[in-house]
Amino acid sequence: KQEVTQIPAALSVPEGENLVLNCSFTDSAIYNLQWFRQDPGKGLTSLLLIQSSQREQTSGRLNASLDKSSGRSTLYIAASQPGDSATYLCAVMDSSYKLIFGSGTRLLVRP
Amino acid sequence: GAVVSQHPSWVICKSGTSVKIECRSLDFQATTMFWYRQFPKQSLMLMATSNEGSKATYEQGVEKDKFLINHASLTLSTLTVTSAHPEDSSFYICSARPFGAANTGELFFGEGSRLTVL
Repeated sequence: KQEVTQIPAALSVPEGENLVLNCSFTDSAIYNLQWFRQDPGKGLTSLLLIQSSQREQTSGRLNASLDKSSGRSTLYIAASQPGDSATYLCAVMDSSYKLIFGSGTRLLVRP
Repeated sequence: GAVVSQHPSWVICKSGTSVKIECRSLDFQATTMFWYRQFPKQSLMLMATSNEGSKATYEQGVEKDKFLINHASLTLSTLTVTSAHPEDSSFYICSARPFGAANTGELFFGEGSRLTVL
C-alpha cells in the first residue's frame, strides 16, 4: 500500500529565505507526483506536476524534483514571501489515476 | 484552465438528515471524478472513484450505503451523505479527470464543501 510522508510537518521562516519541503513515498511505481497548495478552509491549487519519466519541474520561484528510484521528491521555494504561507501537499498518482496525499507541511513565512 | 465547481460550499444540517453535494465540471467532460474527505489539520483521504454510467468504487473503510455517489453525466457527480451524524462533519473535495485529454494524469479540483452536522 502506497504511503506518502512529508517532512517537516510545520515550518516557520523569515521572509526572503530559500526553503525545501520534503516528500517520500514507499512504492516507486507511480504515474506522476504532484505538489499542491492549500490555504485554510480552501480547496487545492496545483503547483507542479512531475511525470514519472521526468526529474524536475519549475514554475517561477518553485522547483520540484523527483527521484523515483529512492521514492523522494523535494519542493524548493526561492526567496519566500509572506504570501507563500499555506499548507503544501505532496501527492503521488498510481496507474488508476488515484492520488495518495501526504499529510502536508504547514509553512509560515514571517514578514 | 479547466474549472470544477462544487455546491454548496458549506452546509449545516441536523443529525439524521441527508445532504447532497454536487461536483460539476464546467468546461470539460470528466470520465472519472474522485471524492475526498479532509478532517481538520489532516490530509485528504480518497473516499471513492466515480465513473460516468457505472457504480462508484469505494475505498476500504468507506460505507457505500452512507456515502451515495451518482455520476449520471460526464459533467456531474453527486455525493449524498445519508443520515448524517456529527462525526461526518468534514471538508469534502472532488476532483475530475478530463475525458479524451492527453494522459498527463492532471486532475482538476473543486473548491470543497464544508459539512457541519449538529
